[in-house]
Amino acid sequence: DTGVSQDPRHKITKRGQNVTFRCDPISEHNRLYWYRQTLGQGPEFLTYFQNEAQLEKSRLLSDRFSAERPKGSFSTLEIQRTEQGDSAMYLCASSLTGGAGDTQYFGPGTRLTVL
Amino acid sequence: AQSVAQPEDQVNVAEGNPLTVKCTYSVSGNPYLFWYVQYPNRGLQFLLKYITGDNLVKGSYGFEAEFNKSQTSFHLKKPSALVSDSALYFCAVRSFNDYKLSFGAGTTVTVRA
Repeated sequence: DTGVSQDPRHKITKRGQNVTFRCDPISEHNRLYWYRQTLGQGPEFLTYFQNEAQLEKSRLLSDRFSAERPKGSFSTLEIQRTEQGDSAMYLCASSLTGGAGDTQYFGPGTRLTVL
Repeated sequence: AQSVAQPEDQVNVAEGNPLTVKCTYSVSGNPYLFWYVQYPNRGLQFLLKYITGDNLVKGSYGFEAEFNKSQTSFHLKKPSALVSDSALYFCAVRSFNDYKLSFGAGTTVTVRA
């Protein structure tokens, strides 16, 4: 099994630019999650998908953020008009429905720096 | 609402000594509890989980955790720590019908040789 992969691993952008991150889950995992982690904090939930349906979004996910999972496989997270406060590690995780406890397996993350 | 508290920012132990990382939780209904470890500039690696059954759960790399319902705790333990166990440890909780995880702020473990 290959693990969860994320691309890019690092992204530096200027304030006001748009950025897009990609996540490829473990094959056959039907649930996919996005979290954000800032320095010194634990990951915070952003959103999750079951297959291609986005089932829940956190209040942290402002209207500048959008996530998609068009074919129920990979997912993208786009941030429009980035702000310095968006600087964080963006983590993706996947799980399999019915797997005991729906254990989430995490990717290596994409570190975003907004200048 | 669900939440996790990790009361210690840092835990320092000597190699070969027992290691304990504390976690308490709050959740509606029966909890699903998880421990993850994070190495610098890396994602989270799953260590172990409690869903139901035996209160003592064994996981990867010799780690175990004890679920205590009355104290709403899920402390992570290792009988004999290694220098390579030095990392950031996160406890997480979810309820049966809520798939998102809520994480604690993390505990940095340093094992000295």
